[in-house]
Amino acid sequence: KNQVEQSPQSLIILEGKNCTLQCNYTVSPFSNLRWYKQDTGRGPVSLTIMTFSENTKSNGRYTATLDADTKQSSLHITASQLSDSASYICVVSPNAGKSTFGDGTTLTVKP
Amino acid sequence: NAGVTQTPKFRVLKTGQSMTLLCAQDMNHEYMYWYRQDPGMGLRLIHYSVGEGTTAKGEVPDGYNVSRLKKQNFLLGLESAAPSQTSVYFCASSYRNQPQHFGDGTRLSIL
Repeated sequence: KNQVEQSPQSLIILEGKNCTLQCNYTVSPFSNLRWYKQDTGRGPVSLTIMTFSENTKSNGRYTATLDADTKQSSLHITASQLSDSASYICVVSPNAGKSTFGDGTTLTVKP
Repeated sequence: NAGVTQTPKFRVLKTGQSMTLLCAQDMNHEYMYWYRQDPGMGLRLIHYSVGEGTTAKGEVPDGYNVSRLKKQNFLLGLESAAPSQTSVYFCASSYRNQPQHFGDGTRLSIL
């Protein structure tokens, strides 16, 4: 069964600090991996999408990395802001079939 | 610039009642999806559609029906609501293998 596991489940950091969120997956063969940000009370919004051949993708202060050999991805947030407080969801899509969603990491940025 | 619009935003039902959730997208996407999200859990796929007139079951389809009579609309029906269906329901749309665009959800409580 395809699985996507995210860690940590929740994280609290101070404003201005950096943090890294992890995503491990078993989906194979693999088409693409996406990171979404979900603000409280809103739908998820796409941050990055990476294909099998890509190692890194940036979107402003968000940088996603992918190691297809170890089936791991990370999302690094630089110089965190209060508005970064949200749930971050890792989604992995196979070549055929439906995407698998992780349960998300809840990030709280405190002043 | 509406994107994905879900109606209603909130609804309270009594056990046994029926209702239909409406999702509309204006991006000409072929694919549309219905998810449910329960507290502390990830998004779970209920049903999806890869084109007008076609629907398919997702991970948790029991108790729900869907219809895609027009490309831009995807309807989710509850024939006989149960308390276990209390959840936040998200609709999404996409081009094949591209990031999904989500609505802001329908919060449904069943008493």
